[in-house]
Amino acid sequence: AQTVTQSQPEMSVQEAETVTLSCTYDTSESNYYLFWYKQPPSRQMILVIRQEAYKQQNATENRFSVNFQKAAKSFSLKISDSQLGDTAMYFCAFMKYATGNQFYFGTGTSLTVIP
Amino acid sequence: NAGVTQTPKFQVLKTGQSMTLQCAQDMNHEYMSWYRQDPGMGLRLIHYSVGAGITDQGEVPNGYNVSRSTTEDFPLRLLSAAPSQTSVYFCASSPSGGPTDTQYFGPGTRLTVL
Repeated sequence: AQTVTQSQPEMSVQEAETVTLSCTYDTSESNYYLFWYKQPPSRQMILVIRQEAYKQQNATENRFSVNFQKAAKSFSLKISDSQLGDTAMYFCAFMKYATGNQFYFGTGTSLTVIP
Repeated sequence: NAGVTQTPKFQVLKTGQSMTLQCAQDMNHEYMSWYRQDPGMGLRLIHYSVGAGITDQGEVPNGYNVSRSTTEDFPLRLLSAAPSQTSVYFCASSPSGGPTDTQYFGPGTRLTVL
């Protein structure tokens, strides 16, 4: 079974500063994908970034980047130049490579960007 | 494209009542799924479908039924609602369900069972 752990229930950051959200996971799979999803107050789930486990290079998407440590089973999200619109719940998620079909989500981190 | 739509947005039921949560997508996606989100927990998969006529159970299927008669629609049925089914329900779709697909989520249905 796969488990995803987010140990920071709540975080805050000043506007324009950088913040890092933590995620660890447990799996016996060797090939898999990791994701960060954002859920603003509107409840809409929005994909932030995706990482393929067999790729060494950390994924980046504009102000969002990850630090993927496969041996440590760690997958943190760094948000640079935080903006008020980044205020949301952030979920880390895991998906097996071969079959896909099912996400395993963490419990989420509530991020507040302070003006 | 309307994307993934869910109705209703809010619903209150009494214990033992039945109801159907509707989900529709207009992107011709083969894969559709239902998740529930409880306070302090991540989304958990209830049921999913890889195409019309094909459904399978996810992590927490008990108390829910699904069917997929068309590509567009994937309704979730609660046969006899229980307070433990109070949750926010999300429907999602993607072209094939694979990890390289972008999953499109609906806006959610907040269900309260009294």
